[in-house]
Amino acid sequence: EVQLVESGGGLVQPGRSLRLSCTASGFTFGDYAMSWVRQAPGKGLEWVGFIRSKAYGGTTEYAASVKGRFTISRDDSKSIAYLQMNSLKTEDTAVYYCTRSPGDDYLDYWGQGTLVTVSS
Amino acid sequence: EIVMTQSPATLSVSPGERATLSCRASQSVSSNLAWYQQKPGQAPRLLIYGASTRATGIPARFSGSGSGTEFTLTISSLQSEDFAVYYCQQYNNWPPLTFGPGTKVDIK
Repeated sequence: EVQLVESGGGLVQPGRSLRLSCTASGFTFGDYAMSWVRQAPGKGLEWVGFIRSKAYGGTTEYAASVKGRFTISRDDSKSIAYLQMNSLKTEDTAVYYCTRSPGDDYLDYWGQGTLVTVSS
Repeated sequence: EIVMTQSPATLSVSPGERATLSCRASQSVSSNLAWYQQKPGQAPRLLIYGASTRATGIPARFSGSGSGTEFTLTISSLQSEDFAVYYCQQYNNWPPLTFGPGTKVDIK
């Protein structure tokens, strides 16, 4: 059974940093791309960023709203994807979901999400 | 950036009735469109990809159609567990991956 479990969320002050982790199980992690998607309270879904599998260069893509502040990485030996969030803003407050992609495409499995609250 | 729109914003349907949800892209996305279902307090779940292919474990009452800029998700006979918010998402031309604003299906 595919499982994605996010951790690392919490309350953080504006301008500070936070790192989220996504621990995967039930599939060969290294074979898949991973994305992060967020959802502000009461709002819709917003794609944050994406990291390809090593077979496709392990390259990353980011939404304009987070580019230069957020970094996605992966440790295939541990089956973990990371979202490093720097210079956090109040508008980054959201539930952050880790998702799996078969390729440069749709998101076939989602974690349960972790809440990040940016507030002073 | 491809902008996705969905209509209606809210759809009120009685159990057992048919629901038809629409999604439009600001430019052609070919058949590179997915649909997701999100129930309150839960993560989204993939329903449809490739505009019309059901994801693993998705009941046959869910069907997708369309290509280019116009897409439809049809739920043939609504069950109580189908009342949720539905999002479309394009993956033809990205970054960014873009989602529609969602259609809420509630009980009439």
